[in-house]
Amino acid sequence: KAGVTQTPRYLIKTRGQQVTLSCSPISGHRSVSWYQQTPGQGLQFLFEYFSETQRNKGNFPGRFSGRQFSNSRSEMNVSTLELGDSALYLCASSLDRQGRKSFFGQGTRLTVV
Amino acid sequence: AQSVTQLDSQVPVFEEAPVELRCNYSSSVSVYLFWYVQYPNQGLQLLLKYLSGSTLVKGINGFEAEFNKSQTSFHLRKPSVHISDTAEYFCAVITMNSGGYQKVTFGTGTKLQVIP
Repeated sequence: KAGVTQTPRYLIKTRGQQVTLSCSPISGHRSVSWYQQTPGQGLQFLFEYFSETQRNKGNFPGRFSGRQFSNSRSEMNVSTLELGDSALYLCASSLDRQGRKSFFGQGTRLTVV
Repeated sequence: AQSVTQLDSQVPVFEEAPVELRCNYSSSVSVYLFWYVQYPNQGLQLLLKYLSGSTLVKGINGFEAEFNKSQTSFHLRKPSVHISDTAEYFCAVITMNSGGYQKVTFGTGTKLQVIP
């Protein structure tokens, strides 16, 4: 059974650009959550999608957005990139809303220069 | 509001010694508790979780954690660490809101450094 797949693994962008990250959950999982990990702030929750609807949102500006498709794949978009957006972005998929079988992808490391 | 506190940002320990990584939480509702491990240059892996039932939970790689409701703690322990346990460990709390949706809060992480 394939795990959670995030693409790309590494990305370098310049300030002002926009970026789209992709997450394919484990087959059968309907909940996808996104997290930002930085050395200074640790792991922070971005948002959660379930059945193509955003269910929860963390405390991030509107430049951060996402969506989920009917096959549960999710994309996260960051517009007008800032240097501080450099981070490891992790996606987690779970079987249900309670996160009882929750698995993380290996992340996308975004560097903004 | 819920919160998770990992008081120790770094814990050095000699190989084969025991270790305890502390995690305290606060929440006004029932919680599910998790420990995740992140090895260098890798994503997060689930170590163990407490959902209900026995308060002593055993996970992978010889780790265990005990849920203490009165002290609102979920400390992670291992009786004898190995070099390969060097990693960052995250405690997490999940609660369900009134709409049935999960809210996840992570601690700031504890870096375990095993010294040979």
